Amino acid sequence: AQSVSQHNHHVILSEAASLELGCNYSYGGTVNLFWYVQYPGQHLQLLLKYFSGDPLVKGIKGFEAEFIKSKFSFNLRKPSVQWSDTAEYFCAVSQRTASKLTFGTGTRLQVTL
Amino acid sequence: ETGVTQTPRHLVMGMTNKKSLKCEQHLGHNAMYWYKQSAKKPLELMFVYNFKEQTENNSVPSRFSPECPNSSHLFLHLHTLQPEDSALYLCASSQGSSSEQYFGPGTRLTVT
Repeated sequence: AQSVSQHNHHVILSEAASLELGCNYSYGGTVNLFWYVQYPGQHLQLLLKYFSGDPLVKGIKGFEAEFIKSKFSFNLRKPSVQWSDTAEYFCAVSQRTASKLTFGTGTRLQVTL
Repeated sequence: ETGVTQTPRHLVMGMTNKKSLKCEQHLGHNAMYWYKQSAKKPLELMFVYNFKEQTENNSVPSRFSPECPNSSHLFLHLHTLQPEDSALYLCASSQGSSSEQYFGPGTRLTVT
């Protein structure tokens, strides 16, 4: 069975600091990869996705993620975080042709002024 | 964002009650999903429907009964729930079963 690991459960950063959130998955086949964000009081929203092609994916609000197949990783990055990035971030994986989306436990990001 | 709506937003029910959660998607998608989100646990997929047909039941207890009358509506019928079923229940939809999913705001369920 596939699984997703997010090793950082709670991250606290000051505004303008750089961000990297780790995501590793366990599945040997072809995968689709996603990062979702849940702002306080709001529903889950898609931040970015990788299906194929360039392994460096750019999403909304200045976020990007890099798919490294050899490391089974899809880490999320942002060069300079803002207070409004305070949210919970979820990595998710599905097999290329399947509907089952497996989520990590999430990382709570707190950005201080 | 009103692509996927869920009602009610909050529900408190006793263990002997019967209630239903409703989800509606306005995106023209053909796949719909129920997830359970509990504190400190990953989102758990419960059910998947493609073109109104159930294609996945992730070992969910029979006290949860889904219904998908058409591609835009999804229900989750609840009966004789347990306190450990208290959680946020999320509905999602997608265009095609392997595409990105769009989530609703969830129903916060408390079982007393």
